[in-house]
This record gives sequence, structure tokens and C-alpha cells, in this order.
Amino acid sequence: DTEVTQTPKHLVMGMTNKKSLKCEQHMGHRAMYWYKQKAKKPPELMFVYSYEKLSINESVPSRFSPECPNSSLLNLHLHALQPEDSALYLCASSRPTDPLSGYTFGSGTRLTVV
Amino acid sequence: AQSVAQPEDQVNVAEGNPLTVKCTYSVSGNPYLFWYVQYPNRGLQFLLKYITGDNLVKGSYGFEAEFNKSQTSFHLKKPSALVSDSALYFCAVRAPMGKSTFGDGTTLTVKP
Repeated sequence: DTEVTQTPKHLVMGMTNKKSLKCEQHMGHRAMYWYKQKAKKPPELMFVYSYEKLSINESVPSRFSPECPNSSLLNLHLHALQPEDSALYLCASSRPTDPLSGYTFGSGTRLTVV
Repeated sequence: AQSVAQPEDQVNVAEGNPLTVKCTYSVSGNPYLFWYVQYPNRGLQFLLKYITGDNLVKGSYGFEAEFNKSQTSFHLKKPSALVSDSALYFCAVRAPMGKSTFGDGTTLTVKP
């Protein structure tokens, strides 16, 4: 299995809602990432998990809460989002200690905050 | 600090013609360079990576990249463009133990 699976593909939520994004991979990758991407812009790193521990938080607002329950799963919990948080949220994975390891990306969750 | 720059927002080529998408980099130490492609409403797909010692790297879908250390460039090339190559292309540099930094992206349009 050489895929990163993200669910849901689309999500519309109100500013008072709580929702979660899910990411799953079975490639044995021990580094997993959350990126936020606006239209026609590069992905912006949000969080990095290495061996199931949070290693990088790019000063992301606390309304975004990541979780890595095991080596195959990565969640992003959302609460009290703002309309400007609407974007494509991408999950990726890689081998953490190999700088030649490219990232495998999921297809993303298109999030709209209303 | 590491960075990559893609000087062109947009590249237009005719089908069958060669294409080049430019990328320059700035790193201290060995460069770990990558190209990714993104089709509309999809995630990024890995195309190719630089391997030390290989100035011409071959990747997926007939793409290749030319590494030039003196010009600190890693340009993406294809000898004969297809309409289906139209997409958004990102150059990226990866830190040895950490995150990747992406260029701003170049939209490639191949016209029939």
C-alpha cells in the first residue's frame, strides 16, 4: 500500500462546530505532517509528528489540535474555526531519518468554514 | 536557513515542444531537492529527487531535472510536453532531519 488516505474529502463547518480530519498510511512511515494550502499557493507546514511524537508546531492557533494515536493514523481536531481557515488540508508521510525520502501526500480535505 | 525560488509564476508551451520549469535553491550543506506536481483538487505527487553525483535525474512521467551546483539550480525538464502535463509544479528542499520548504509554485499550461 503506497497511499495516504484522507477523510473526509470535503467538509463544511460552522464557526462553533467541532470536527476532525483523519489521515491514514500503511507504508511504515514514522513521520507524518499536516499542511494547509490556499489556492495556487505552496503548502504551509502546520505540524510534524516523528515516531508518534509532536516534533514541530509552526505556531499554529490552538483551534487546531493534532493527534497521532499510532504510527498509521494522524488526526487534526478542529474547533471554533474562522472563515479564513478555509483551505485544502493535506496530510503527508515520509521516512523521518532519510533526507532523500520524498513525501507521500494524501489528496486532501477541502475545508469550508461558514 | 534553506530556501527555494521559482522565478516564473506561469509557463506556457505548445504540445510536443520541450518544457523547462525553473528552480534555484539556497542551502548550507548538501542539497536535498525534490519536484512535486499537483493537479486540481488533489494532493502533491512526488516526481523526482536529486541524488548526489547525478547532474541529470530522471523521474516519473518522462520528466527529468538538471542539477547545476555552480548556478544553484535544479530545473525541471521534459523533451516533449503533453497537454496532460498541465498542472502546478513545486520545487522543494528538505532539511536533513526535518521539514521541507516549498517554492511558490509554477503553473504549467501546455496548449494543443
